[in-house]
Amino acid sequence: EDQVTQSPEALRLQEGESSSLNCSYTVSGLRGLFWYRQDPGKGPEFLFTLYSAGEEKEKERLKATLTKKESFLHITAPKPEDSATYLCAVQGVIQGAQKLVFGQGTRLTINP
Amino acid sequence: DGGITQSPKYLFRKEGQNVTLSCEQNLNHDAMYWYRQDPGQGLRLIYYSQIVNDFQKGDIAEGYSVSREKKESFPLTVTSAQKNPTAFYLCASSIAAGPLRDTEAFFGQGTRLTVV
Repeated sequence: EDQVTQSPEALRLQEGESSSLNCSYTVSGLRGLFWYRQDPGKGPEFLFTLYSAGEEKEKERLKATLTKKESFLHITAPKPEDSATYLCAVQGVIQGAQKLVFGQGTRLTINP
Repeated sequence: DGGITQSPKYLFRKEGQNVTLSCEQNLNHDAMYWYRQDPGQGLRLIYYSQIVNDFQKGDIAEGYSVSREKKESFPLTVTSAQKNPTAFYLCASSIAAGPLRDTEAFFGQGTRLTVV
């Protein structure tokens, strides 16, 4: 049973074409939802933390939002350097234990 | 500079050998984690530790072992019992933010293990 599901698996956009990535979760006792960016062969780089439904965070062309069941990462007017895999992670109670669980990621490609 | 250091960056193991991956942090974080990442997949939790001398199994702990004798260090041993150890291994750490919420985890740059 998946606790964190990201969609789409891959997304290709033209430079300047805005879009959104989705992260759905089913954990209980949410203690935090985190977005990361990962470049090939490197460790994930932290982007945002969200704790409560309705919360929003922004950084340059990225904006993360949170509801009770999902989070969106909105990318406005992306540039080629925004190409990366974006990972969503949820900290909560899973099978009776506190865990940090990741989705499988969305591979984003921005064409110039 | 504060951060998480994983070593080595690349590691080759012969079948039947045990190998140990190093993870050191100087962020004074309480919690540390080990994840495994396979091509095109997300991160899967192997082990985690929330305090020194204590650790818990994650979702794929079979064939792995850890220790947490010091706050700064959380080494992972990949044993010969791990049937398919070739993967990218990531170590992370975080600081407890309180009883109701957790802070983000920060990652090292990973160790790529290959069985030859």
